[in-house]
This record gives sequence, structure tokens and C-alpha cells, in this order.
Amino acid sequence: GIQVEQSPPDLILQEGANSTLRCNFSDSVNNLQWFHQNPWGQLINLFYIPSGTKQNGRLSATTVATERYSLLYISSSQTTDSGVYFCAVETGNQFYFGTGTSLTVIP
Amino acid sequence: DGGITQSPKYLFRKEGQNVTLSCEQNLNHDAMYWYRQDPGQGLRLIYYSQIVNDFQKGDIAEGYSVSREKKESFPLTVTSAQKNPTAFYLCASTLKDSPSSYNEQFFGPGTRLTVL
Repeated sequence: GIQVEQSPPDLILQEGANSTLRCNFSDSVNNLQWFHQNPWGQLINLFYIPSGTKQNGRLSATTVATERYSLLYISSSQTTDSGVYFCAVETGNQFYFGTGTSLTVIP
Repeated sequence: DGGITQSPKYLFRKEGQNVTLSCEQNLNHDAMYWYRQDPGQGLRLIYYSQIVNDFQKGDIAEGYSVSREKKESFPLTVTSAQKNPTAFYLCASTLKDSPSSYNEQFFGPGTRLTVL
């Protein structure tokens, strides 16, 4: 199956700092999503972004499908941004998840 | 409100018992999925179903079974054959864009299963 790699695996930020999370995938995909898993385990949809750039408040994402990567930007981070960020790609009627980036934002 | 519900939230099981986890969606989504998440890990696909009365195995189907008798329901049974069933189980659903691709995937709140 397709390989999905996320980096960095762990990230610690001071509140107010900016960060970039990366997702690389090994083959062509139909769709790509970014999720935030909160401390209670709920997966929250951030972006559905098979290609191009989208913005939602302090978060934005860019997917370059031809080069097989996606980036998630978090600006002016807040403690509530803490948690694990996953990217997932869809191909062949299945979704494949990366291993996540664990983000801790300290006040 | 539209969404995906999972029950129970927490489940405790003795070794050797089968248990069934519920997943219901009222989004009129075509496909439904079950994932397993172990501490500090990503999500691994157990089973998925694209239409009623049809389902396919994912990467870790051994020791699990599913049914899809109704479009809105996709229960997962963790059988006694599953060697290490303690984990967090997540159900998801999505609309079908075309015969070969799917739209945005949405998740339920999950069930934490502990085997005593």
C-alpha cells in the first residue's frame, strides 16, 4: 500500500510561535485530509485538500500533488492547538494515515 | 444534528468474550470504516464497507467481524480470537465522489476497549 510519512514526529512551541508540518506520500492519491486529534481522542477535520492552498483562520494548508507532499501551517500558536496532527490520503477506495505529529504548545 | 455516533464510549471485556461496538451515521454517507489506534500510534484500517451488504478487509482484520445490513449502521465485533484487543476504536464515514474516489472522511468520537 501507499506510504505516508509525517514530520517532525514531535514539536514543542512557545505560545505565539509559527510552525510547519509536512506530509509526504509515496504514490498518486485522489484526496488528502488533515486532522487534529484532541486529548479526548476525537479527530477533527481541518482541511480537505487534494491540491492547492486553503486557509481557515490561523491555519492554512498546501498540497502539491505532483510532488507528493502537503504542508500544514499553524500561525500564532495557542495552547489549544496542542494534540496530534494526522494527514490521510485516499487511493483505491481506502484511506491511509501517517503516524502523526505530536504538537505541544507551552504558555 | 448530522453526525456519527459510537457506543459505548468505554467498554471493559473479560478475556474470551466477544463484544460488539456500535457505529451509526445519519449523514447518508455511502462508505463506512473501522480503525484501530494504539497509544502513540496512527490509525490502522480494520474493515470498510462501500455499500450495504458488502465489506472488505483492511490491514488488520484478523479477530474482527463486521456487518452492513443498513446504510446508516456498521457494527464491529471484536472476537475472542483477537489476541490484543485493548485499543481505541474509531468509526468513520464518507460520501462517494465517483466509482473510484471518495470525498471528505468524518469520524465518530471513538470507543475505548479494555480487556481485563
